[in-house]
Amino acid sequence: DTAVSQTPKYLVTQMGNDKSIKCEQNLGHDTMYWYKQDSKKFLKIMFSYNNKELIINETVPNRFSPKSPDKAHLNLHINSLELGDSAVYFCASSQQSGPNTGELFFGEGSRLTVL
Amino acid sequence: DQQVKQNSPSLSVQEGRISILNCDYTNSMFDYFLWYKKYPAEGPTFLISISSIKDKNEDGRFTVFLNKSAKHLSLHIVPSQPGDSAVYFCAASAGGGYQKVTFGTGTKLQVIP
Repeated sequence: DTAVSQTPKYLVTQMGNDKSIKCEQNLGHDTMYWYKQDSKKFLKIMFSYNNKELIINETVPNRFSPKSPDKAHLNLHINSLELGDSAVYFCASSQQSGPNTGELFFGEGSRLTVL
Repeated sequence: DQQVKQNSPSLSVQEGRISILNCDYTNSMFDYFLWYKKYPAEGPTFLISISSIKDKNEDGRFTVFLNKSAKHLSLHIVPSQPGDSAVYFCAASAGGGYQKVTFGTGTKLQVIP
């Protein structure tokens, strides 16, 4: 039973399209994240939600809109896709209570290719 | 501005020998340091961490060393095994709030049987 699951795992689409990636965690964690790994393998945080509330937004273009219907789900919607959006997007979760240890639980990633 | 740096993109080590992966950071506010391991087509998984109040943390074959004055940490794997072949990400977080974890670009370790 996967702890953090993302769908779809692969997504190929044309420039200008709108697409969504879904994420669900069954760990009972309070906080969920979206990370982007670009072609240089740099893993960078995009957003973080705690109990459905946006707490981190790392100057991501507003074409990217996260939505958290409940604390177990965090979806990422991308409008007007551009070539530079091609990357692997990782969802992650963590338990916020307790010390800030930085331990994150990641999904398997969703590889987005924009043609 | 890359606050966590892994200057070696790859490393090859013979099975049974020690693997040493290095990481440098620039942000003095970081107080927790972590290593994540990533296999192809999988997400990163947490491996080991160290608080800034310590200089060493050990977990089985894995040991992380922290040198705060040099803003440097390293991961030692002894003995290295072929199953350790993966990409290793160094990461850091600053306390006092929500967990914003900053990652390095990773070092690909190959353990040769």
